[in-house]
Amino acid sequence: DIQMTQSPSTLSASVGDRVTISCRASQSIVSWLAWYQHKPGKAPKLLIYKASSLENGVPSRFSGSGSGTEFTLTISSLQPDDFATYYCQQYHDYSPVTFGGGTKVEIK
Amino acid sequence: EEQLVQSGAEIKKPGESLKISCKGSGYSFISYWIGWVRQTPGKGLEWMGSIFPADSDTRYSPSFQGQVTISVDKSISTAYLQWNSLRASDTAMYYCARRATTGYWYFDVWGRGTLVTVST
Repeated sequence: DIQMTQSPSTLSASVGDRVTISCRASQSIVSWLAWYQHKPGKAPKLLIYKASSLENGVPSRFSGSGSGTEFTLTISSLQPDDFATYYCQQYHDYSPVTFGGGTKVEIK
Repeated sequence: EEQLVQSGAEIKKPGESLKISCKGSGYSFISYWIGWVRQTPGKGLEWMGSIFPADSDTRYSPSFQGQVTISVDKSISTAYLQWNSLRASDTAMYYCARRATTGYWYFDVWGRGTLVTVST
């Protein structure tokens, strides 16, 4: 299975900060990577697919970059609604697809 | 609105059986794969398997093959995840999710999750 490693596991930030979350794959996944936002008690929400494509309706302050084994999710200016846990997921190998361990973005 | 609505939380004893559900609405349910994802504090998110409602074609993660059964009733737009004999280690949050309409194996619509607690 392809292992996905996210860092940091927890991130403390303030409203307006630029936030960067990293995701590393154990082997090349080309650009087959998605990012999700998850808040407690709610359904996870797709933010980014194919490493850098913004899902319809997702604010433009979210962006994704990277290819191969190194990927980044950036929030350009953190908003109160963005405090949540973020997960990456590879789908280069779809049996099984695998997720990163998550990055919790907390209020500083 | 496209959505997946999951059944409520369950508390079960080891050895009991359980079937949880995921009902799709707001889109053509039979046209898109539905997957099940387990979330635990120790292992994070794990894809368990997926089913294609139109023909019930089912694929399981090797880690979950033989441990659970995924099924569907397309007449009521509902997918299921079933255990015949629960173990304490099955305690987790379970999410259903729709494979993206692009046809790639990421998930563009998710349910809110069903918490399953297995305890004596």
